[in-house]
Amino acid sequence: EIVMTQSPATLSVSPGERATLFCRASQNINNKLGWYQQKPGQAPRLVIYDASTRATSFPARFSGSGSGTEFTLTISSLQSEDFAVYYCQQYRNWPLTFGGGTKVEIK
Amino acid sequence: EMQLVQPGRNLIQPGGSLRLSCAVSGFSVYDFDLGWVRQAPGKGLEWVATVTGRDDTPHYADSVWGRFTVSRDISKNTMYLQMNSLRTDDTAVYYCAKPNRDYFYMDVWGRGTTVIVSS
Repeated sequence: EIVMTQSPATLSVSPGERATLFCRASQNINNKLGWYQQKPGQAPRLVIYDASTRATSFPARFSGSGSGTEFTLTISSLQSEDFAVYYCQQYRNWPLTFGGGTKVEIK
Repeated sequence: EMQLVQPGRNLIQPGGSLRLSCAVSGFSVYDFDLGWVRQAPGKGLEWVATVTGRDDTPHYADSVWGRFTVSRDISKNTMYLQMNSLRTDDTAVYYCAKPNRDYFYMDVWGRGTTVIVSS
């Protein structure tokens, strides 16, 4: 099983600042990585797929990078609607696995 | 518009069985692979199962293997998750989710069904 590790667990950021979230895979997953945003009481929403391709409903301030085992999600200028929990997920191999999540909270 | 519709809430005793449903709208249940992801209270996301291809090949997480069965019914355009031998640690919100056509990231999600396993 591929273990996905996210850091930090919590990120405190002021509106307008940049947020950088990290995700590490326990083995090479090439670019088979997705990022999801989840707000309280809601289903997750796909933000990024194939490590760096942004989903159509998300603005350009969201960007993803990385390949192999190290990945990053960057939100360039946080808006109030961006405060949420973000999860990474690998889809290189079965079983599909998620990271533990990073909560982005208002500083 | 593609939608996955899930009914609301279930309470079941340990050792019991329950079948969850996910009604598909805007496409055929066999147009895409489909699956389930769960989230225990206050915890992260855990992939549970995916059914793939026209032959309904299933894939399961080890935590549910042998207890849960995923299936599809084209006449009802619905996916199901049959859950047997339920345990208290199966308590979670269960989301149905549609993977992308080519790769298994989830691009459409249902709103989730709450399952509480408790005596």
